Amino acid sequence: ETGVTQTPRHLVMGMTNKKSLKCEQHLGHNAMYWYKQSAKKPLELMFVYSLEERVENNSVPSRFSPECPNSSHLFLHLHTLQPEDSALYLCASSQEFMGGSPPPEQYFGPGTRLTVT
Amino acid sequence: LAKTTQPISMDSYEGQEVNITCSHNNIATNDYITWYQQFPSQGPRFIIQGYKTKVTNEVASLFIPADRKSSTLSLPRVSLSDTAVYYCLRGSQGNLIFGKGTKLSVKP
Repeated sequence: ETGVTQTPRHLVMGMTNKKSLKCEQHLGHNAMYWYKQSAKKPLELMFVYSLEERVENNSVPSRFSPECPNSSHLFLHLHTLQPEDSALYLCASSQEFMGGSPPPEQYFGPGTRLTVT
Repeated sequence: LAKTTQPISMDSYEGQEVNITCSHNNIATNDYITWYQQFPSQGPRFIIQGYKTKVTNEVASLFIPADRKSSTLSLPRVSLSDTAVYYCLRGSQGNLIFGKGTKLSVKP
């Protein structure tokens, strides 16, 4: 157990569905992340929230919409996805980014395995 | 384009030392190097982090030469439970780039 939980663990959705992924951290951290992990591709950073403000958005399609209502919870809202969006979606948390400091150690959840049909 | 390159796979035997090298030719001045370990059905787990020279903790060592164009994760005396995928991460605030991972298989 890393202190970061994700629900659901598995999700199958059609291309016209709307669903949400949930992440919760119990570590008192102030930064949270969404990553996409596909077969044969490196981990791709999608979104970063630090102190509940979005600080990174790596050209992610608008069909992925993050929400961070507080420092303990992070959501990824999904709509009109494509089959190539099928992947493992990982959430992580850490202490907040500090300018000039090394990237903080990230604690990852187990991921949500998403299949788009 | 910033890239992080590492071998796809490596094999080893129990008790051996394993060295996994990551190439990051155009590393930025502010970038640090971090290594993560990932087991099946789990998220990655932090192993070690460094900027240059050598860093050692209770599970691994990290060697980064003066030009910082590469880094080497060293796992002393591996066991079967070290079979996992190892990721090299380069980056600084707001810019994090993972390699594709090295699948380490430790055999008895």
